[in-house]
Amino acid sequence: DTAVSQTPKYLVTQMGNDKSIKCEQNLGHDTMYWYKQDSKKFLKIMFSYNNKELIINETVPNRFSPKSPDKAHLNLHINSLELGDSAVYFCASSPYERRGTGELFFGEGSRLTVL
Amino acid sequence: AQSVTQPDIHITVSEGASLELRCNYSYGATPYLFWYVQSPGQGLQLLLKYFSGDTLVQGIKGFEAEFKRSQSSFNLRKPSVHWSDAAEYFCAVVGSNQFYFGTGTSLTVIP
Repeated sequence: DTAVSQTPKYLVTQMGNDKSIKCEQNLGHDTMYWYKQDSKKFLKIMFSYNNKELIINETVPNRFSPKSPDKAHLNLHINSLELGDSAVYFCASSPYERRGTGELFFGEGSRLTVL
Repeated sequence: AQSVTQPDIHITVSEGASLELRCNYSYGATPYLFWYVQSPGQGLQLLLKYFSGDTLVQGIKGFEAEFKRSQSSFNLRKPSVHWSDAAEYFCAVVGSNQFYFGTGTSLTVIP
């Protein structure tokens, strides 16, 4: 069983379109994240949810909207896609602790290409 | 502010040779430190972590790392590299309930 699964793995779309990436974890963790990895492999946190509540919301354009229907799912919807949105998006989860000492468990990533 | 620096963008080693990947962190309190590995087309996998106690930490795949507070470092080592170790390696520090990743070191292994 895959612990953190993301779909789709690859996404190719035109500028201006709207797309979603889904993430599910079966680890029973309370906290889930979205990270963006750019072409230089730099990992930047975008959002974090704890038990369906948004706890980290970094400086991300309003076109990006996370949604957590329950603590096992965290989806990412992107409106009006731009060329600069092309990246690999990683979902991750961790058991929630005060200092975030729980390790991160990553999905395999969703490679988004905007043409 | 918390941050992590990985000074080496790219390292090439011969198979069987020893490896050391450098990581320096900036954090006010006792840091929680991690090393992750990313194989091509894959997500990140935890190699090892340091919270407290013994400053030499053993991880998976024969890797180890040593925490040196005086040098603000957490370098990753492996005595003998295998071709399958070719990947991207990320060091991370936890602060304010989130992870801060370094920019990664890309490892190439030559036969």
